[in-house]
Amino acid sequence: LAKTTQPISMDSYEGQEVNITCSHNNIATNDYITWYQQFPSQGPRFIIQGYKTKVTNEVASLFIPADRKSSTLSLPRVSLSDTAVYYCLVGPRFSSGSARQLTFGSGTQLTVLP
Amino acid sequence: KAGVTQTPRYLIKTRGQQVTLSCSPISGHRSVSWYQQTPGQGLQFLFEYFSETQRNKGNFPGRFSGRQFSNSRSEMNVSTLELGDSALYLCASSLGSQGADQPQHFGDGTRLSIL
Repeated sequence: LAKTTQPISMDSYEGQEVNITCSHNNIATNDYITWYQQFPSQGPRFIIQGYKTKVTNEVASLFIPADRKSSTLSLPRVSLSDTAVYYCLVGPRFSSGSARQLTFGSGTQLTVLP
Repeated sequence: KAGVTQTPRYLIKTRGQQVTLSCSPISGHRSVSWYQQTPGQGLQFLFEYFSETQRNKGNFPGRFSGRQFSNSRSEMNVSTLELGDSALYLCASSLGSQGADQPQHFGDGTRLSIL
């Protein structure tokens, strides 16, 4: 299992860029990296996914170095509504027949301050 | 397009009882996974169903079981409830295989409280 490690919490101010790093030292060749956001009393919401280098969408960027042993979620110009728990997920692309389970990191509580 | 729907949203049971939770995936999604979320253990994978067959199973006792119907709707059952089963149970669906390259779409969960 690709165990992940994230900071427990982070604070930021509105308008700043926030970078959350996830460590996954034993990531497998076929593993993808996915980040989710979760608000209280709601299910996690998909943010972004990548395999290597850099991926960008309308809400975030994901940076993955060549060794893929870590990844960084970058949120540009955060607002108060970005206050949430962010989870890093590492898992195989195809799990059919595989005994591997998808592993969620401990999550990072991001608090955006005014 | 409707999202993943879980019912009921809240449930209170007592020790020893059993409970059934329901999940309706996004239309067209064939894979349904269940997770347990608690403050102490975080998000833990229970099991995944695809085309009515359990494909993956997490490290939970046999009291936790599930099934999937031909319309991809899924139910999860917990028998002989224990206080430690109090948690938020989340259901997630995806198009096909339960791989990390196909994002899961989560419901808002069922909050189960055991008295």
